[in-house]
Parts: sequence; C-alpha cells; structure tokens
Amino acid sequence: DTAVSQTPKYLVTQMGNDKSIKCEQNLGHDTMYWYKQDSKKFLKIMFSYNNKELIINETVPNRFSPKSPDKAHLNLHINSLELGDSAVYFCASSQDLYFGSGEQYFGPGTRLTVT
Amino acid sequence: KNEVEQSPQNLTAQEGEFITINCSYSVGISALHWLQQHPGGGIVSLFMLSSGKKKHGRLIATINIQEKHSSLHITASHPRDSAVYICAVSTASKLTFGTGTRLQVTL
Repeated sequence: DTAVSQTPKYLVTQMGNDKSIKCEQNLGHDTMYWYKQDSKKFLKIMFSYNNKELIINETVPNRFSPKSPDKAHLNLHINSLELGDSAVYFCASSQDLYFGSGEQYFGPGTRLTVT
Repeated sequence: KNEVEQSPQNLTAQEGEFITINCSYSVGISALHWLQQHPGGGIVSLFMLSSGKKKHGRLIATINIQEKHSSLHITASHPRDSAVYICAVSTASKLTFGTGTRLQVTL
C-alpha cells in the first residue's frame, strides 16, 4: 500500500499549457511538501502546507500554485508552462512538530517535460 | 556559497570499506536530514537529527551543532549502497538541500 503517491509519473506537454500533478498520502501526516529537482539533480523546496499554513519559497513563480482539497492531498497546478519548468517534481509528507522536524516520506516523482 | 555544503561530491569505494560523507551548514538549524536517492530516482529519508547520533543498521549519522557539521557513515559498504546521499537542513521556515554526494560501491 503506497504511502505517498503521485500522478502522473510522466508528463509531456507544450509550452503555454496548464497542467496539474496530483499527490496523495495515506500516512495521516499533517504536512505536505512539493519539491523540484532540476537537471543537475539539485532539490529545492517549492511549498509546504499544513492545515494552518502555506509556506512558499519566494523563488517559485506565481504560475505555480498548490491546492489542497483535504489533509491527504496536495496538488500542484502550473499555468503557462515554460521550457525551464522541465524537471522532476516530488511530493512528500511528514508529521511535523515544527517546520521541517519530521521524517519525510517522498512520492515517486513526476517527470515533467515541456516542449 | 551554498548554505549547505557536502563533501565529497563523488566517492568511489570498494565493497566492505567504511565510508564517510560530510555536511557543513552556515545557519542555525532546527533539524538536519539525510536522504538517499536511488539510481532509479526514488528518495528515501535515512535520518532526521537535531542533536547527537543515530544508528540504523550499517548507517550512522552524527551532528555537532556547535561546529555546524554532520557526518553520515556507512560501515561494511555494499554495492546496493550506491546512490546519491543528500543532506538538508531546516530552519524556522526554510528547508535547504546540499548538492548531494554520489557514491559508487564496487565489488
């Protein structure tokens, strides 16, 4: 039974399109994250979200927006896709006493290719 | 200069060797994470530390808060340990990653 799942695993789309990546966790965690891993394999946090607070990395363009319909889901919406958005996107969840304090469980990643 | 520096960037070891990967950071932190990324791309959390030392199987992680330094040790290394090891530090509202250490363990 997968703890953190993401769909789709691969996403190929054209510049200018709008796309979403879905993430679900069945661990009962209260905090979820989105990360971007670029072509050099460098991980960067994009968002963290719990029931009370959305923390946004200030370097993330506002074309990216997280949407959480409930505690178990945190979807990533991307508007007006650009070539530079091509990367692997990871979702993660944790049970945090304070920000970043919990062990993180990662989804399998979504490889986004913008052509 | 990155807030989180890892060394070495690349490491090749023979099976059975003792391995050490280092992580230095320049800010006050609330926690430090060690992650493992397999060749297939999946990421697994190995340790979360705020002080002292933790051990899990052949893996040991230590942290020295005063020196702003952490080490990940692998005893009796095995080819299945081949992966990228990533250090990450969390502050009040930020999680910053090192660039990773690529480990290759050969027979």
